[in-house]
Amino acid sequence: DTGVSQDPRHKITKRGQNVTFRCDPISEHNRLYWYRQTLGQGPEFLTYFQNEAQLEKSRLLSDRFSAERPKGSFSTLEIQRTEQGDSAMYLCASSLFDSADIQYFGAGTRLSVL
Amino acid sequence: AQKVTQAQTEISVVEKEDVTLDCVYETRDTTYYLFWYKQPPSGELVFLIRRNSFDEQNEISGRYSWNFQKSTSSFNFTITASQVVDSAVYFCALSEDNTDKLIFGTGTRLQVFP
Repeated sequence: DTGVSQDPRHKITKRGQNVTFRCDPISEHNRLYWYRQTLGQGPEFLTYFQNEAQLEKSRLLSDRFSAERPKGSFSTLEIQRTEQGDSAMYLCASSLFDSADIQYFGAGTRLSVL
Repeated sequence: AQKVTQAQTEISVVEKEDVTLDCVYETRDTTYYLFWYKQPPSGELVFLIRRNSFDEQNEISGRYSWNFQKSTSSFNFTITASQVVDSAVYFCALSEDNTDKLIFGTGTRLQVFP
């Protein structure tokens, strides 16, 4: 059983460009979460999916951010018109069902906006 | 409001010393879950333990032990006979029954020197 997979591991982009990250959860996991982690801080929740339905979005998720999970399997997180403040590690996690379940994390995508 | 506080930013010990990482949480819910994760230099968050609010039994797993005290809203983590491989950032996290996200503390960086 493979773990949560994220691609790419690193992304360097220029301010104003769009970027897209992909997350493949553990198979059979219904829940998929996105978090953002900046240097010296703990991960902060961005959004999560139950199968293909996006059930909650944090206020941190501005209009420039959009996430999808079209077939209830992999998910993408897109950032439009990137800003330097978007530089962070973007972490994906998956769990079986609900808040009681263990969330298993991927290795993350490190975004650097120049 | 939910909150997790890890007051120790960084701890340095010499191998074989015991070390305790503190975690204090705030929640209004009676049903909640507490977690500890380890983040080694590679960046991937590794699950260590989950505790629900109705189970105050302490737990031991090898060199790791956890002390959950509802009276002081604390969920402390002790590593006995620390090893260099224990060097990492450790995060405490909270999940409430009516939400589906993890609220993380700011983490404690543990450095174990040979």
